Amino acid sequence: GQQVMQIPQYQHVQEGEDFTTYCNSSTTLSNIQWYKQRPGGHPVFLIQLVKSGEVKKQKRLTFQFGEAKKNSSLHITATQTTDVGTYFCAGQSNTGKLIFGQGTTLQVKP
Amino acid sequence: DAEITQSPRHKITETGRQVTLACHQTWNHNNMFWYRQDLGHGLRLIHYSYGVHDTNKGEVSDGYSVSRSNTEDLPLTLESAASSQTSVYFCATRTSGSPTDTQYFGPGTRLTVL
Repeated sequence: GQQVMQIPQYQHVQEGEDFTTYCNSSTTLSNIQWYKQRPGGHPVFLIQLVKSGEVKKQKRLTFQFGEAKKNSSLHITATQTTDVGTYFCAGQSNTGKLIFGQGTTLQVKP
Repeated sequence: DAEITQSPRHKITETGRQVTLACHQTWNHNNMFWYRQDLGHGLRLIHYSYGVHDTNKGEVSDGYSVSRSNTEDLPLTLESAASSQTSVYFCATRTSGSPTDTQYFGPGTRLTVL
């Protein structure tokens, strides 16, 4: 079946370092969404990318959607302790269902 | 403000018992979803509903059932709880089936099956 793979599973960085998580789908996606889950919390929507090659920024976060609409990345510049959490990508298939990646858990050392 | 509530927030039960997890939303969204979250697996879809009286199986539906008698509620029932169903369960809603709509998640229910 359709799968969305996300790497790495865990990432430990020093505060101020950059961080990137990657998402790859086995099939072309209608769109891709990114969610953040703080420890003990629930996933919260961050952003959605729809167009091929799209790039969106939210302050220190940069989101990209691949030209073939099968991969995406989230890059955080100069991480802060408030960035701690698990970041999920979720690809929307042509049946309308969201397929989540396994998530990347980010730890930031102050 | 519109919201999604889940109850109970924590539940401990024994193998073989029937358990029902409640999900109630005041968003008036047609689409509702149940996911389970386990380490290394991310969020996996259990069941979903696109409207009243509509229910569909997700990728991990065995041992679970749902019913949708109104817009606001989508209870998830574990017919005979198993230890493999120990997990955190999230309910989510979405406005419609449009591919550009986002999902809103409830706070989650942590279920332990002993």
